[in-house]
Amino acid sequence: DVKVTQSSRYLVKRTGEKVFLECVQDMDHENMFWYRQDPGLGLRLIYFSYDVKMKEKGDIPEGYSVSREKKERFSLILESASTNQTSMYLCASSSDRGLTDTQYFGPGTRLTVL
Amino acid sequence: QKEVEQDPGPLSVPEGAIVSLNCTYSNSAFQYFMWYRQYSRKGPELLMYTYSSGNKEDGRFTAQVDKSSKYISLFIRDSQPSDSATYLCAMKEAGSYQLTFGKGTKLSVIP
Repeated sequence: DVKVTQSSRYLVKRTGEKVFLECVQDMDHENMFWYRQDPGLGLRLIYFSYDVKMKEKGDIPEGYSVSREKKERFSLILESASTNQTSMYLCASSSDRGLTDTQYFGPGTRLTVL
Repeated sequence: QKEVEQDPGPLSVPEGAIVSLNCTYSNSAFQYFMWYRQYSRKGPELLMYTYSSGNKEDGRFTAQVDKSSKYISLFIRDSQPSDSATYLCAMKEAGSYQLTFGKGTKLSVIP
């Protein structure tokens, strides 16, 4: 089974803090994704990576950056957290191999910025 | 026009009912169609995957894709309280990394 883990389930930070969210997958997947999920807005893609050290902006990259130094690990960074970044953050991974290139999600990190 | 439309519900049905969940889309390039189930405070989990048009069945779940109408459905037979969750449709173009999600339909199955 694919396993995607996220470093924290719940996180509370203060405005202006630098925040790191970590994601690890154990299936040797090439692609990794960061989403945020908000009521009424659904899942929105922040960034994705299709290879180590490669990254692409998603639909809402402003205020975020990412890092992928190893294939299994993808980090989301909030350089200076703001209250409008309070959200559920979901990491996902997918493989390029085979026909089923669907995304597998982690359990999510619920971030509150005060 | 939004790319993927999904009725948010909430949808409440009695145990044992047949549930029909639907999404419509506008992008004719979508070829891969998925349904995810998300329990409260958890990440989405893949439920069904379909390539192009047709039906796919897995136990009590049936996924249908009608590309000519740009319409996909998920049917749940003999619904159970454990089916209570938010159901997200998702779709993808060939060669693209990105999934486009519906906003999800919240389903409650009442014992």
